[in-house]
Amino acid sequence: GQNIDQPTEMTATEGAIVQINCTYQTSGFNGLFWYQQHAGEAPTFLSYNVLDGLEEKGRFSSFLSRSKGYSYLLLKELQMKDSASYLCAVLSNDYKLSFGAGTTVTVRA
Amino acid sequence: DVKVTQSSRYLVKRTGEKVFLECVQDMDHENMFWYRQDPGLGLRLIYFSYDVKMKEKGDIPEGYSVSREKKERFSLILESASTNQTSMYLCAASTRAVFSYEQYFGPGTRLTVT
Repeated sequence: GQNIDQPTEMTATEGAIVQINCTYQTSGFNGLFWYQQHAGEAPTFLSYNVLDGLEEKGRFSSFLSRSKGYSYLLLKELQMKDSASYLCAVLSNDYKLSFGAGTTVTVRA
Repeated sequence: DVKVTQSSRYLVKRTGEKVFLECVQDMDHENMFWYRQDPGLGLRLIYFSYDVKMKEKGDIPEGYSVSREKKERFSLILESASTNQTSMYLCAASTRAVFSYEQYFGPGTRLTVT
């Protein structure tokens, strides 16, 4: 099975940087996803890491360390529209995604 | 873009009713999934399917069944709805192509059982 932990809530100021950590314990690993979910909407894909290191995509970056069972999502130059829930999910060898409970990020002006 | 649609955004049913939640995807993806999402618990996998007529139990299958008669359609069935099945239900689809494991989600159905 999978055990995935991430903080419940984070608050930051517009223009700032926020880092959302995710730790996992897994019996099979085939990559780690980050999804963004605005209130009342479906989750949408942000990033996928399967190898160690940093993947950068515009204002968002995601990092993975497989040996440590650790990932983070870095949001830079925060905008009000980034207020959302961010979901960490681990993909197992049979294509099943196991999700953390999500981190609600609130961006303040 | 893959489009995943669900039959209803909001649904209110009575305890003991049989409930059908329908999901349709338009990109010929092999895998389809049903999740429920509850505050503080995140998304939990109910059932999934790798192909037509195939189904596998997820983490919380009790009280649910599924049907996949056609590749594009995956139905979730609550045989006898109970109040603890009040939740947001999300359907997702994904391909098995290498390096393309992203799951695409539908808009969700908020089910209330009274």
